[in-house]
Amino acid sequence: DGGITQSPKYLFRKEGQNVTLSCEQNLNHDAMYWYRQDPGQGLRLIYYSQIVNDFQKGDIAEGYSVSREKKESFPLTVTSAQKNPTAFYLCASKETDGNTIYFGEGSWLTVV
Amino acid sequence: DQQVKQNSPSLSVQEGRISILNCDYTNSMFDYFLWYKKYPAEGPTFLISISSIKDKNEDGRFTVFLNKSAKHLSLHIVPSQPGDSAVYFCAASATNTGNQFYFGTGTSLTVIP
Repeated sequence: DGGITQSPKYLFRKEGQNVTLSCEQNLNHDAMYWYRQDPGQGLRLIYYSQIVNDFQKGDIAEGYSVSREKKESFPLTVTSAQKNPTAFYLCASKETDGNTIYFGEGSWLTVV
Repeated sequence: DQQVKQNSPSLSVQEGRISILNCDYTNSMFDYFLWYKKYPAEGPTFLISISSIKDKNEDGRFTVFLNKSAKHLSLHIVPSQPGDSAVYFCAASATNTGNQFYFGTGTSLTVIP
């Protein structure tokens, strides 16, 4: 069954710690994205990658890092430099020639 | 700088009536528009889209209208059903923006039985 899998669904982090959110897709999509959702602010783009070993910063990349070593995987690391990391994080992907992005189920990150 | 705006945070509609959700954009280079439906703590699911070469696209109970001169699109749901209650996001992209998609802030639709 094809889709986008994000893990973990819920994650708690202590202040000062880095945490990595996993995103895996078996849709054979080339492009992958990370968005963050905060109440009343819609979806904001953190990073995106159009092909393996390449990625670009989105609108709110500060405090985050990504890697794209494999086509099917696009992990997001939330570093201690991110001042307000508590949010709902969404991974998405898109075919190279497609116009629609498809989302995973999301991951809740809470800083305690 | 919000390039895609949904100015109505919430909308309530009686079951069976029409729901109209609105979206405005500022970037005239946008050439593809999408609507997504989202339940709490879940990822958005794709509903319907429209290319800038069209002014209307219909899929069952869902119709999207695009007015390029006004930089405005709308999603019509008719008839509305209680299961349609969710947050709806509009999104836009431009061929020359490197696959970036810009989202509005969402409109929470409540369909009252």
